[in-house]
Amino acid sequence: KAGVTQTPRYLIKTRGQQVTLSCSPISGHRSVSWYQQTPGQGLQFLFEYFSETQRNKGNFPGRFSGRQFSNSRSEMNVSTLELGDSALYLCASRDSFSGNTIYFGEGSWLTVV
Amino acid sequence: DQQVKQNSPSLSVQEGRISILNCDYTNSMFDYFLWYKKYPAEGPTFLISISSIKDKNEDGRFTVFLNKSAKHLSLHIVPSQPGDSAVYFCAASGQTGANNLFFGTGTRLTVIP
Repeated sequence: KAGVTQTPRYLIKTRGQQVTLSCSPISGHRSVSWYQQTPGQGLQFLFEYFSETQRNKGNFPGRFSGRQFSNSRSEMNVSTLELGDSALYLCASRDSFSGNTIYFGEGSWLTVV
Repeated sequence: DQQVKQNSPSLSVQEGRISILNCDYTNSMFDYFLWYKKYPAEGPTFLISISSIKDKNEDGRFTVFLNKSAKHLSLHIVPSQPGDSAVYFCAASGQTGANNLFFGTGTRLTVIP
């Protein structure tokens, strides 16, 4: 079974631009969440989607948004990029009907210059 | 406010000895705890978990201990191997099955051959 797939793996953007990151969950997993990892802050929860609906949201500004499609694939968008948005963005998926463990993709490294 | 804390940013252990990684939490509503291992440029990999109804869970060389009264958990790796060298994150959830995990900032374990 393929794992969680994230694209792109690496990208560089300029301040003020916007970026869209994509995530394909493990086949059969309907719950997708996004995390941001920065040095010193660890992993911080951004939001969670289930059946195309946002179920939970972390403490991030409205510039961070996401969505989930009917095939459970998810995208997150960051608008008006700031230097502090440079981070590793991790997507995770879970089988909502059994198990309490989330499985992460390899992440998308975003650098804002 | 960091609800899950890993106060040791790094730990070095000789190969074959025991590695003990510690984690403290502040929210008494957390009822499910996980440990993840992360190599550079990869997403976190699930290691082991424990629910609050237990005080110990073992999986091969990995054992997690939970002390609810102290709001403390620890991960023991016995015996430690060089391949265990990675960053270890503890995570907690306030709702069994929820995707919004709260992560610590990680402890970098180095196992010296």
